[in-house]
Amino acid sequence: KAGVTQTPRYLIKTRGQQVTLSCSPISGHRSVSWYQQTPGQGLQFLFEYFSETQRNKGNFPGRFSGRQFSNSRSEMNVSTLELGDSALYLCASSLAPSDRPGNEQFFGPGTRLTVL
Amino acid sequence: KQEVTQIPAALSVPEGENLVLNCSFTDSAIYNLQWFRQDPGKGLTSLLLIQSSQREQTSGRLNASLDKSSGRSTLYIAASQPGDSATYLCAVLPGGTSYGKLTFGQGTILTVHP
Repeated sequence: KAGVTQTPRYLIKTRGQQVTLSCSPISGHRSVSWYQQTPGQGLQFLFEYFSETQRNKGNFPGRFSGRQFSNSRSEMNVSTLELGDSALYLCASSLAPSDRPGNEQFFGPGTRLTVL
Repeated sequence: KQEVTQIPAALSVPEGENLVLNCSFTDSAIYNLQWFRQDPGKGLTSLLLIQSSQREQTSGRLNASLDKSSGRSTLYIAASQPGDSATYLCAVLPGGTSYGKLTFGQGTILTVHP
């Protein structure tokens, strides 16, 4: 069974540009969550989608948005990039919505975004 | 607000030692606690998941325990090997309005030298 895949693996952008990251969950998984990882802040929750609906959102500005498609694939978009957006963006998938006891989350390899 | 703390921040041990990594959390209202490992520049690999109703889980040389009432979990690694070198992260899945938001500790960087 293929794991969580994320594309692209590496991205270099300049300030002010926008970027779209993609995540394909494990087959059969309907929940996708996004996290940002930086050396200073560690891992922080961005948002979770289940059945094409955003269920919860972390404390990030509106420049960060996402969506989920009917095949459970998810995209994350960051507009008007800032230097501080440089980070490893991780996607996680799970069978059910994450507010279920025993619901294990599986992470992809991440997309390394560098903003110059 | 749920906060997760991991101690120690870094640990260096010789091969073959048994070791314990610690994780504490401030709010006992959790659904699960999950231990991950992360190799440099890579994603997270799930090691063990303990549901709030469980006390421990085992997988090979790994054993994780959970004491929800005291807000503590430990990850025990037996007979450590150089391949165990990685950052180990503890994460709790809170209940209430914070559902869905896995809250992570800062990690323990483990180095096992031959």
